[in-house]
Parts: sequence; C-alpha cells; structure tokens
Amino acid sequence: QVRLQESGPGLVKPSETLSLTCEVSGNSIISDNYWGWIRQPPGKGLEWIGSISHSGSSHYNPSLKSRITLSVDTSKNQFSLKLSSVTAADTAMYYCARRGGISRYDYWGQGTLVSVSS
Amino acid sequence: QSALTQPASVSGSPGQSITISCTGTSSDVGGHNHVLWYQQHPGKAPKLIIYDVNNRPSGVPDRFSGSKSGNTASLAISGLQAEDEADYYCSSFTSSVTSVFGTGTRVTVL
Repeated sequence: QVRLQESGPGLVKPSETLSLTCEVSGNSIISDNYWGWIRQPPGKGLEWIGSISHSGSSHYNPSLKSRITLSVDTSKNQFSLKLSSVTAADTAMYYCARRGGISRYDYWGQGTLVSVSS
Repeated sequence: QSALTQPASVSGSPGQSITISCTGTSSDVGGHNHVLWYQQHPGKAPKLIIYDVNNRPSGVPDRFSGSKSGNTASLAISGLQAEDEADYYCSSFTSSVTSVFGTGTRVTVL
C-alpha cells in the first residue's frame, strides 16, 4: 500500500520560506513515477504546484515557478517543497501525491495546513 | 495557466443522473486525452475517480463515467447516492507539460 505523509511547520512568517517534506512508504521513490505537490486555500479549489522525478526532472506551475524549489532525497525515500517569499495568499492545505501516469495523481497524503502570518 | 471552468454546483435526487462539465482550451482539455476527475469529501484528500477521459481506477463504481468533446470534458454520475455528495474537480495535462485543475463543482444529493 502506497502511503505519503507531509510534514513541516504549520506557521510561516510573511516573506520567509515555506518548507515541507513528503515521506513515501510502500513505493520506492526511484520508481518510474513523478512526485507532486498540490495546494488548496481554505474554502477554495485545488492548485497544482509542481512535480519532480527521482532524477530531478521537474515541472512547475508557471505562476509559482520563480518561488518554487523541488528536491528528492532517495536515501530517505522522500521529496520536498520550498516556496520562498510567502504571503498570506500562500496559506493553504498542502498535499503531496504520487503521479502514477501523465497528470494522474493516484495516491495522496492527508495534507498539512500551512498558515502565513506574523 | 488558467483554471478549467466547472459549474459551481450541481444537485440531484437519489437514483437520478447528473453531469458535470469541464471546459478548457485546445492547449489542455482539447489537446489530448489526459483528462482526470477527482472526488473530495469535506476534510479529506482528493481521490482519483477517472483518468485518461474515461478510465476508472480499481474500486471506483461504474456509476462514474467520463467523456470528452472538443475542449469540454464531462463527468456523469448515474444512480446518485448520498455518499456521492462531495466536491468534484477535473484536471488536465497541458501543452506546457504542466497540470491544471478545474474550479470545482459541489454536488448535492437532495
């Protein structure tokens, strides 16, 4: 059974960098899948952030590209998201997910709520 | 990239059929067959229910079906059940090798 679990601070100050990690179990991160991040502001819809393969090949949402860094740690079977220069608009539930096919996110973490506030 | 357009809400009585539309452009929905649908219950992570326009992952009831015509994809739910009350999101691969989600549709079972 594939499981994903997000972890990271629940509160980030404006202008700082949001950092989240997704630990994967039940599936090697060096498999043929990509690994992605999706977020959802409170009461709003889903927004795709980006995805990365174990080799570091990555794709980003153009509207966030300048602020995103995705990385993979194969030794820990986990991948990470960094989002710089955050504002209140970045407050959201952040989900990590496995991309099991083209744009197909078939396994999701439970999500972690990140609030941006001073 | 702009979010795909979905109706804000759709409702139906138990046993009825409903359809949710998802309109994009030739750069996403209309450009290929990588269109997906997700179901999200309150407080839960989204769940994939349709991929590649009309394919269901294992365990998803055949009451759920997908289709596409031009730049518009559709999700049909037949034999509506109380447990189908949830938010539904379409998603598509894009010509820029990214993904985009729809605006979301709340389904209410009357």
